[in-house]
Amino acid sequence: AQSVTQPDIHITVSEGASLELRCNYSYGATPYLFWYVQSPGQGLQLLLKYFSGDTLVQGIKGFEAEFKRSQSSFNLRKPSVHWSDAAEYFCAVGAGNNDMRFGAGTRLTVKP
Amino acid sequence: GAGVSQSPRYKVAKRGQDVALRCDPISGHVSLFWYQQALGQGPEFLTYFQNEAQLDKSGLPSDRFFAERPEGSVSTLKIQRTQQEDSAVYLCASSLAAGHTEAFFGQGTRLTVV
Repeated sequence: AQSVTQPDIHITVSEGASLELRCNYSYGATPYLFWYVQSPGQGLQLLLKYFSGDTLVQGIKGFEAEFKRSQSSFNLRKPSVHWSDAAEYFCAVGAGNNDMRFGAGTRLTVKP
Repeated sequence: GAGVSQSPRYKVAKRGQDVALRCDPISGHVSLFWYQQALGQGPEFLTYFQNEAQLDKSGLPSDRFFAERPEGSVSTLKIQRTQQEDSAVYLCASSLAAGHTEAFFGQGTRLTVV
């Protein structure tokens, strides 16, 4: 079965600094990969997804992620963080079936 | 409506009480998912519907959990004889096509069992 690891529970960055959130997955075939963001009291909002093709995917709010098969990773990046980006970020992997597995999440704090 | 709507937003139940959580998916969406999100954790899959058919219920933690989507639109997650370990946020998501092509999530129902 597929699984997801987000090694960083909590990350703090200064506003305007770059950001990288790590995600490693385990799955035997090519997975479907997702990044979601969750603000307090809100549902999950899809930032971006990878199904196939170009391994660098662009998402909303200036986020991008790169699929690296050799490293089983799908790290999320943003060149310049805004205070409104403070939230919980979840990486998820889907295996083409109906079961999407989420990581435990990374909480992002943005310092002024 | 414009998005996935869940009600109630908050529910406090006494241990042993039955609860019913409602999900209104985006109109026309074929797929509907329920997830359970414990505090400080990522969502965990409970069950999946394609239209009115419940195709996967492998994530339901016990036979006290039951979900239905009788007309292929609104879905209800029922928890019988609630226990403290059932306290969590229950998230509903829907997607236009079959499977997880692009799932839209509701705001969730926070269930607290006391």
